Amino acid sequence: EPEVTQTPSHQVTQMGQEVILRCVPISNHLYFYWYRQILGQKVEFLVSFYNNEISEKSEIFDDQFSVERPDGSNFTLKIRSTKLEDSAMYFCASREGMDTQYFGPGTRLTVL
Amino acid sequence: AQTVTQSQPEMSVQEAETVTLSCTYDTSENNYYLFWYKQPPSRQMILVIRQEAYKQQNATENRFSVNFQKAAKSFSLKISDSQLGDTAMYFCAFMKHSNDMRFGAGTRLTVKP
Repeated sequence: EPEVTQTPSHQVTQMGQEVILRCVPISNHLYFYWYRQILGQKVEFLVSFYNNEISEKSEIFDDQFSVERPDGSNFTLKIRSTKLEDSAMYFCASREGMDTQYFGPGTRLTVL
Repeated sequence: AQTVTQSQPEMSVQEAETVTLSCTYDTSENNYYLFWYKQPPSRQMILVIRQEAYKQQNATENRFSVNFQKAAKSFSLKISDSQLGDTAMYFCAFMKHSNDMRFGAGTRLTVKP
């Protein structure tokens, strides 16, 4: 069964460094999402992406964040200058149409 | 803005018993989707069940069923014959037409042997 994949599973970085989190959505899906979950808290929407552009973003998704679909398969989230409070699980999700979002296994980001 | 409320931070149930997790939401939309996701200790988000708002019939998936009350904006999850593997965080989520998903704060369910 097709699934969303994410790499790396765990990323450790120093404060102020740039990180890129990678996702491979399910191949025939058209809508892509990033969510984050700070430890012990609920899952929060960051950004949605459709037709090669951002369709919606939350107030969390400030200028430090960017997303890209550099080729036909990958969907990336970049954090330009990480802060301690960026430490969280980051989930990628994809959706085909008016249907369920399927989540990847997540990337645990630890900012030291 | 849509909000999703899960009023039970933690619940426990004996193995083989039935448990119901509550969820309410607030929206002015008429067409939308509701979901329950399970998050085990691995922290992966696993879809449990979904409901389209335009369908009156409650969704069921094996031991999992929902009680969808559209007028009351309530979407509870019933787990029958609870198993130890059901121990996890359960998140209720709302998605309106072609849009992002909004999650509740979660309910931590523990199934006791």
